[in-house]
Amino acid sequence: KNQVEQSPQSLIILEGKNCTLQCNYTVSPFSNLRWYKQDTGRGPVSLTIMTFSENTKSNGRYTATLDADTKQSSLHITASQLSDSASYICVVPSGTYKYIFGTGTRLKVLA
Amino acid sequence: DTGVSQDPRHKITKRGQNVTFRCDPISEHNRLYWYRQTLGQGPEFLTYFQNEAQLEKSRLLSDRFSAERPKGSFSTLEIQRTEQGDSAMYLCASSLSSGLGNQPQHFGDGTRLSIL
Repeated sequence: KNQVEQSPQSLIILEGKNCTLQCNYTVSPFSNLRWYKQDTGRGPVSLTIMTFSENTKSNGRYTATLDADTKQSSLHITASQLSDSASYICVVPSGTYKYIFGTGTRLKVLA
Repeated sequence: DTGVSQDPRHKITKRGQNVTFRCDPISEHNRLYWYRQTLGQGPEFLTYFQNEAQLEKSRLLSDRFSAERPKGSFSTLEIQRTEQGDSAMYLCASSLSSGLGNQPQHFGDGTRLSIL
């Protein structure tokens, strides 16, 4: 069964600290993996898309890694800011237009 | 790029009433998706359009749900005879199709439906 699992479910950190979010997937065949940020009451916004040939990809303070062999991805946030408080959702396409969404990691950054 | 817009942002209605939501995708995007999201969950696929053709509809949807995309531009999602379980955020997303399949989905900010 195609699944995307994320951990932790929620996370609280202090402003300025780093954190890493995890995503494990069982979707096959695999083409790419996406990370989205979703602020409360808003739609998800794309952070990065990683193809199977990419190991690391950065977008500002966000760095995503992908290990296609172990079917794991991580999203590392450096020097967190209050505005990073959001849900982070891992998504893997299944077929031409189907997308398997994880349930997300809810991050709270405290001052 | 004005983004994906959805209207209304919030809808409160009584059980049994019909509701209709509108989505205006990014103008050059030929793919359009509808999702439903409940608290603490990821978006759940409802239906997909390639231009004006509705190519897939989730089996989870009852016959009370219908979607259209006339002329391959804006789309509407209608829910008839609403039920308490329909309370959720309804998200619309659009994207370009590509051979590599690596185009991002652009989401609107959703319509939050509350059934009284």
